[in-house]
Amino acid sequence: ELKVEQNPLFLSMQEGKNYTIYCNYSTTSDRLYWYRQDPGKSLESLFVLLSNGAVKQEGRLMASLDTKARLSTLHITAAVHDLSATYFCAVDAFYGGSQGNLIFGKGTKLSVKP
Amino acid sequence: DAGVIQSPRHEVTEMGQEVTLRCKPISGHDYLFWYRQTMMRGLELLIYFNNNVPIDDSGMPEDRFSAKMPNASFSTLKIQPSEPRDSAVYFCASSLSPHSLNQPQHFGDGTRLSIL
Repeated sequence: ELKVEQNPLFLSMQEGKNYTIYCNYSTTSDRLYWYRQDPGKSLESLFVLLSNGAVKQEGRLMASLDTKARLSTLHITAAVHDLSATYFCAVDAFYGGSQGNLIFGKGTKLSVKP
Repeated sequence: DAGVIQSPRHEVTEMGQEVTLRCKPISGHDYLFWYRQTMMRGLELLIYFNNNVPIDDSGMPEDRFSAKMPNASFSTLKIQPSEPRDSAVYFCASSLSPHSLNQPQHFGDGTRLSIL
């Protein structure tokens, strides 16, 4: 059974600082997704990572994927308050069973303070 | 482009009542997913469809839950009878084939369900 673990689950950081969120998964997968959720809102797709070594950047966020280590990271550079949200990673469970099934981590609640 | 449309946005009802949640996927998407989100359990997949056919319903908690997709543009999730522990936010999502490159699931705004 595919399991996805994120850490930390809660992150409070100051504006201007850098930090990394980690996403580990337990079985082989070739695609990983990062989503953002604001309080009371829907999930917004941030990145789709499709292969080992994939790196994608959007503004102050950069995501990478290491399929051999079964690890993805979401790096935040010079955080600003607008980045405050909950960030989820999700792994395609195709190799573990159901095609198209995404297994989500528990989410990292990020709070950026002035 | 219209996104995934869910209705109602909020539902408050008494236990024992039937609840029906509705979803219209993005046109052209052939996969549809129903999720439930709670503080305790996070985001859980309940069931998903491909080309209107249920593929995996192993996440449906019990027989009180049922889902249908009568056509490519409409799906329902029904709870009968409802119980307080069913209170959660229910999301519908749709996508093209997951193995089409760069195709994430697109989520609706969710239905916030409260069972009293």
